Amino acid sequence: DIVMTQSPDSLAVSLGERATINCKSSQSVLYSSNDKNYLAWYQQKPGRPPKVLIYWASDRESGVPDRFSGSGSGTDFTLTISSLQAEDVAVYYCQQYYSTPPTFGQGTKVEI
Amino acid sequence: QVQLQQSGPGLVKPSETLSLTCSVSGGSISTYYWSWIRQPPGKGLEWIGHIYYTGSTNYNPSLKSRVTMSVDTPKNQFFLKLSSVTAADTAVYYCARSGDRTYDLWAGYYRLAFDIWGQGTMVTVSS
Repeated sequence: DIVMTQSPDSLAVSLGERATINCKSSQSVLYSSNDKNYLAWYQQKPGRPPKVLIYWASDRESGVPDRFSGSGSGTDFTLTISSLQAEDVAVYYCQQYYSTPPTFGQGTKVEI
Repeated sequence: QVQLQQSGPGLVKPSETLSLTCSVSGGSISTYYWSWIRQPPGKGLEWIGHIYYTGSTNYNPSLKSRVTMSVDTPKNQFFLKLSSVTAADTAVYYCARSGDRTYDLWAGYYRLAFDIWGQGTMVTVSS
């Protein structure tokens, strides 16, 4: 199985400031044939199911604010919240879907 | 707008079988991949397996010997059974869809990212 490791486990950011979450995969999730990274990002608030933010490492889901962006390739990825809002307090997960079983990072808790 | 509604018991005795249902509304089950994912209290997410409307399944090897998934296309429902449960199976169980944004044009099939989720069912394994 591909192991996904996120850093940090938690971070506190002031309102309006940038939050950066890192995700590293134990093997590349880049398919060279189509140059796509099989990596998604999710946001989970307490008592709620996860909500997808980003597909293919950098494609924002419809309706997701543009302050959320994804970047990276191969084994190293980043989710950036450009200007943290109160409603962004949540746990964020990366997930690879390059191979089965799909696997998730351990999560990063973002607080104000 | 597609929604997933989960149902099933919240308490299961050790060694018995956990059974959950996911009902799809606002769209047909006869497309996409449909998965079950679980999350132990305070922990991360684990994919259990997925099913296609044809009945084709793929399970996580870590649970494969105990998992059975099935689908009822006329009722727009799919199901999870997990046998011989122990306390380690205590978790919130989610059903989820892999939809259009996960379609891999190069491979010609959907990939296992999840765009729509059920509300979650907390299942406790205890006598």
